[in-house]
Amino acid sequence: EAQVTQNPRYLITVTGKKLTVTCSQNMNHEYMSWYRQDPGLGLRQIYYSMNVEVTDKGDVPEGYKVSRKEKRNFPLILESPSPNQTSLYFCASSPHTSPGEQYFGPGTRLTVT
Amino acid sequence: QQQVKQSPQSLIVQKGGISIINCAYENTAFDYFPWYQQFPGKGPALLIAIRPDVSEKKEGRFTISFNKSAKQFSLHIMDSQPGDSATYFCAAISQGGSEKLVFGKGTKLTVNP
Repeated sequence: EAQVTQNPRYLITVTGKKLTVTCSQNMNHEYMSWYRQDPGLGLRQIYYSMNVEVTDKGDVPEGYKVSRKEKRNFPLILESPSPNQTSLYFCASSPHTSPGEQYFGPGTRLTVT
Repeated sequence: QQQVKQSPQSLIVQKGGISIINCAYENTAFDYFPWYQQFPGKGPALLIAIRPDVSEKKEGRFTISFNKSAKQFSLHIMDSQPGDSATYFCAAISQGGSEKLVFGKGTKLTVNP
């Protein structure tokens, strides 16, 4: 089954404790992206990657890191999480021929206390 | 210039009625306009999309109307059903340009039985 998977689905952590949210896709897509969703603010792009070893900042990259060492994986790293990073996070992927047709993962709900 | 403005924020429609959600953009480089549907607890999913060389696209009960000169596009849901209750996001992207998918803030649609 073609899908984007994220782990963990739920995470409660404390300020300053480094964490990684994994994202993997099995559709051989070149384009991958991370978004955060907050009430009233919609979906905001954090980082995106057009291919292996190519990443670029989205609209809200502060406090986040990403890497794209393999085509299928695009982890999101919070090196020192803060309460304002409490949010619902989505990973998405799409083929390079149509980056607007994105397939989203199920989401990761992160709470930072 | 990267913004997509979406209205209304919320919409309540009776079963069988027409739901209309509007979006406006500024960046004339955008060349692909998808709509995403998100059910509670799920990631967004591509619903329907249009390119600016056509003024309308219909898929079942869902229609996108596109007005290039006004830089506006809208989603019409005919014969709305309770199962259509979800949050809808319009988006825009310059494929081959920055390739960043820019989302509107979303419209929460409730269809009453």
